[in-house]
Amino acid sequence: DTGVSQDPRHKITKRGQNVTFRCDPISEHNRLYWYRQTLGQGPEFLTYFQNEAQLEKSRLLSDRFSAERPKGSFSTLEIQRTEQGDSAMYLCASSLSPLMNTEAFFGQGTRLTVV
Amino acid sequence: AQSVTQLDSQVPVFEEAPVELRCNYSSSVSVYLFWYVQYPNQGLQLLLKYLSGSTLVESINGFEAEFNKSQTSFHLRKPSVHISDTAEYFCAVSAPSGFKTIFGAGTRLFVKA
Repeated sequence: DTGVSQDPRHKITKRGQNVTFRCDPISEHNRLYWYRQTLGQGPEFLTYFQNEAQLEKSRLLSDRFSAERPKGSFSTLEIQRTEQGDSAMYLCASSLSPLMNTEAFFGQGTRLTVV
Repeated sequence: AQSVTQLDSQVPVFEEAPVELRCNYSSSVSVYLFWYVQYPNQGLQLLLKYLSGSTLVESINGFEAEFNKSQTSFHLRKPSVHISDTAEYFCAVSAPSGFKTIFGAGTRLFVKA
């Protein structure tokens, strides 16, 4: 397994357009996370899946954001009607449960620029 | 709920000098603690972790961190840094029974020749 994979690596979009990002976690990991990282800040938690169930969403995740993990494998994060404030690095991570909460393994991220 | 404070946003240091990156956390429950490193244009990589047991943990590239419960700290140290250690370092905390990891704002380590 090559680790957590994210696609695309970079995305430039015009304000108001919709964008979708994909994350492929490490194959045996049943937990999947999305984080957002803005310049000069640490990653901020957005949402979390245990298998296909989305168990928590941050208040940072407005109604324009939606995430899915349809078969408990890959996940998508969609942003509708993008705004300049959505420009950030979107990080996906995965980890293994039901063992104790251990470290999350991160992908290289998708850098979104809204112009 | 947990929170993390990284006390220094930037740490410049000369090559082969020692360095300490400071991290303090807040939590009402026991915690797991992590240091992640992020090189330019790359994702986060786990550097080291404290889950239980010995309070001193080490990484394969010479970094170490010590869990100090009384001071709620998990400072990262290296006795002699290399140019290649230049990166952003994030301290993070999670609860053993929880699911999300909370990150500090990061410390940019800049190693000068």
